Amino acid sequence: EVQLVESGGGLVQPGGSLRLSCSASGFTFSGYAVHWVRQAPGKGLEYVSAISSNGGSTYYADSVKGRFTISRDNSKNTLYLQMSSLRAEDTAVFYCVKGRGSGRTPSLDYWGQGTLVTVSS
Amino acid sequence: DIQMTQSPSSLSASVGDRVTITCQASQDISNYLNWYQQKPGKAPKLLIYDASNLQTGVPSRFSGSGSGTDFTFTISSLQPEDIATYYCQQYDNLPGTFGQGTKVEIK
Repeated sequence: EVQLVESGGGLVQPGGSLRLSCSASGFTFSGYAVHWVRQAPGKGLEYVSAISSNGGSTYYADSVKGRFTISRDNSKNTLYLQMSSLRAEDTAVFYCVKGRGSGRTPSLDYWGQGTLVTVSS
Repeated sequence: DIQMTQSPSSLSASVGDRVTITCQASQDISNYLNWYQQKPGKAPKLLIYDASNLQTGVPSRFSGSGSGTDFTFTISSLQPEDIATYYCQQYDNLPGTFGQGTKVEIK
């Protein structure tokens, strides 16, 4: 059974930093791209970032470019999202999502349960 | 970025009704479209991939069709457990943009 478990969310002040983690199991992690998608409270889904299966290719939405960094450790079956210069508009549930292929193509299948990031003073 | 226009934003139907949701892309995306179901407080779940293929384990009352710019998602006979918000998403180009969502309620 595919499982994705996010952690690291919490309350952070504007301008602060936070690192999200996503622990994967139930599939060959190194064979698939993984993605981050976020959802602000009461709002729709926003695609945030992607990383290819070997970590050699990444993508960032314009709204987070230069502030967020995606990375992965295939030896630990873990995905990361380092977030800095956080803004109130970054407040959202962040989902870790398995891609259907190895490249950055954003076709998504299995989703984690999400971790809430709240940016507020 | 490719814009995805989903309609309606909400609908109310009776158990057993046929429900249809449409999604229009701002440019040709071939069949690179997924449909997801999100129940309150839960993560989205993939129902349909490549516009018309049913994900493993998903009931056959769910279906999708379309290609190019116009797509349709159908629930052939609405069940109480189908109460959720449904999203389309294109994956022809990054970013994989989503429609605004359709909230489905029971009348």
